[in-house]
Amino acid sequence: GAGVSQSPSNKVTEKGKDVELRCDPISGHTALYWYRQSLGQGLEFLIYFQGNSAPDKSGLPSDRFSAERTGGSVSTLTIQRTQQEDSAVYLCASSQTGNNNGELFFGEGSRLTVL
Amino acid sequence: AQKVTQAQTEISVVEKEDVTLDCVYETRDTTYYLFWYKQPPSGELVFLIRRNSFDEQNEISGRYSWNFQKSTSSFNFTITASQVVDSAVYFCAQTGTASKLTFGTGTRLQVTL
Repeated sequence: GAGVSQSPSNKVTEKGKDVELRCDPISGHTALYWYRQSLGQGLEFLIYFQGNSAPDKSGLPSDRFSAERTGGSVSTLTIQRTQQEDSAVYLCASSQTGNNNGELFFGEGSRLTVL
Repeated sequence: AQKVTQAQTEISVVEKEDVTLDCVYETRDTTYYLFWYKQPPSGELVFLIRRNSFDEQNEISGRYSWNFQKSTSSFNFTITASQVVDSAVYFCAQTGTASKLTFGTGTRLQVTL
């Protein structure tokens, strides 16, 4: 498709399990972002990839969170040993340039529920 | 550090009323960009507008208008003659020298008939 694609759209898991969330950005977009949106809250920055540069991981809340981007395209956000407070919608966005004047295109998000 | 404040948590208006959503930002960067995004009930954020810090000219797009004032660090968004389809959560956001977009906590707008 033409937009940012995220999977799964919904994930229910048990506390302590690992989860992987996938983001397929718009083709040709060099920048990719992960954000987290908890119920009724704003968007919390997690991590940012720009081309081949080292990612900006400053928003990752703990070492249980990691992300990678293979081949400058698809990205996977991994949460290890999930906790209930990890329950949120995880949003991925991509932009054409990664310059801070770039418009971000968001996916529909992956809703994670940790029981 | 950057910070975006949207003091209005929720606003309710009747269709055809005008409504202004407030946004106050904080930054030490001299070059920065400000944004508004709309998040309808479907959940997908939609880009509305981007302004750079050197361009304080206000902008109008149909029923939408934006008022950027550096003197008060504000970037307010006005919807004229609101419609039910405008019901959504609206986020103000900012970038600076770091490329990550910092969002406010959002304002939920409810437009009723």
